[in-house]
Amino acid sequence: LAKTTQPISMDSYEGQEVNITCSHNNIATNDYITWYQQFPSQGPRFIIQGYKTKVTNEVASLFIPADRKSSTLSLPRVSLSDTAVYYCLVGGSSNTGKLIFGQGTTLQVKP
Amino acid sequence: GAGVSQSPSNKVTEKGKDVELRCDPISGHTALYWYRQSLGQGLEFLIYFQGNSAPDKSGLPSDRFSAERTGGSVSTLTIQRTQQEDSAVYLCASSLNPTGGRVDTEAFFGQGTRLTVV
Repeated sequence: LAKTTQPISMDSYEGQEVNITCSHNNIATNDYITWYQQFPSQGPRFIIQGYKTKVTNEVASLFIPADRKSSTLSLPRVSLSDTAVYYCLVGGSSNTGKLIFGQGTTLQVKP
Repeated sequence: GAGVSQSPSNKVTEKGKDVELRCDPISGHTALYWYRQSLGQGLEFLIYFQGNSAPDKSGLPSDRFSAERTGGSVSTLTIQRTQQEDSAVYLCASSLNPTGGRVDTEAFFGQGTRLTVV
């Protein structure tokens, strides 16, 4: 399974753009990159998924360089409610669908 | 149902007792996962069911842990002879993963069962 590395924690202020980068140097050809968000006392929630280049939805953008060895989750104009743990996952047919979560990045948004 | 349902939401048990945790996945989802999350920690993979394939039990921490999935739907995680270190939130998730295990579909999580062993 491709291992992921991401910062343990990040701080930001309301209204700022937040970029969280995840490293996955041994990503396999068929692997997708997926990000989840977890609020305290809740299960994780899917945010965004991509394979290459850029993906954007109503919540976030995901930037994936050509070599796919890293990815960056971008949250535009964060608010206090974006305070959560963000997990980067890498997987695909190479791991039979098993989802392995790392330690995640704890984002603290301050007023 | 509309989402993944787990029961009970909270469980307090005495050390040495057996407990059963239940997960009702989203109807039609072929993949089901169990995770454990200790306070302030990340998600620890326990077991993964995909359709009729043999489950991936590689994450179960000891032989006191077991899980079943009946009829490809409801799943039960059983912990025998509970220990204090088993105290955690147990999370269940399901997804539409087609045969072959592509993870290009999102997993939906339940609210979890908070287990406290006293």
